Amino acid sequence: AQSVAQPEDQVNVAEGNPLTVKCTYSVSGNPYLFWYVQYPNRGLQFLLKYITGDNLVKGSYGFEAEFNKSQTSFHLKKPSALVSDSALYFCAVRDIPTGRRALTFGSGTRLQVQP
Amino acid sequence: DARVTQTPRHKVTEMGQEVTMRCQPILGHNTVFWYRQTMMQGLELLAYFRNRAPLDDSGMPKDRFSAEMPDATLATLKIQPSEPRDSAVYFCASGLVLAGEGTDTQYFGPGTRLTVL
Repeated sequence: AQSVAQPEDQVNVAEGNPLTVKCTYSVSGNPYLFWYVQYPNRGLQFLLKYITGDNLVKGSYGFEAEFNKSQTSFHLKKPSALVSDSALYFCAVRDIPTGRRALTFGSGTRLQVQP
Repeated sequence: DARVTQTPRHKVTEMGQEVTMRCQPILGHNTVFWYRQTMMQGLELLAYFRNRAPLDDSGMPKDRFSAEMPDATLATLKIQPSEPRDSAVYFCASGLVLAGEGTDTQYFGPGTRLTVL
């Protein structure tokens, strides 16, 4: 079975400061990992994904994520937060060997960027 | 800018009524997913289609829920009869799976907010 944990319900950061949103996963084989963002009353928007290759993945809006196999983590990062980054962030995983293409999502982390 | 569209965006109905939600996947995509989002359960997969064939509906209550793809441009999710516990936001997502490749990204629609009184 595949699972994802986002240990923080909310992350608060001041505008201009770096931000990190944490995600850890559990799969039986190798993972595909995704980050999505959800703004109020909107659907989920794809930010970035890790399939294979470089452990540092760059995505939309200046976000990046680092895949760490030994720690089974895929933390989302941004060097300088913007107020407009405030939203709900979801980490998701798909376990490659099972072939089950549906994603398993974490519970979400609300990011609040203060001006 | 290709997008997944969902209708209706909001639906309020009374317990026992039938509810039909529709989704138009991105043109050319061959996978469609239905998810449900609630505060308590988060995002849950209800059903998954590939090339219009249902591949996984294990997350869907079979007695009242049904999902179909009448054609490649339309996916439907039906609840009959609806119950208050079905109140949630229902998302449709679509993706493109190429032969021998498994890196499809899912693109989500704006969701249908369902309230069952």
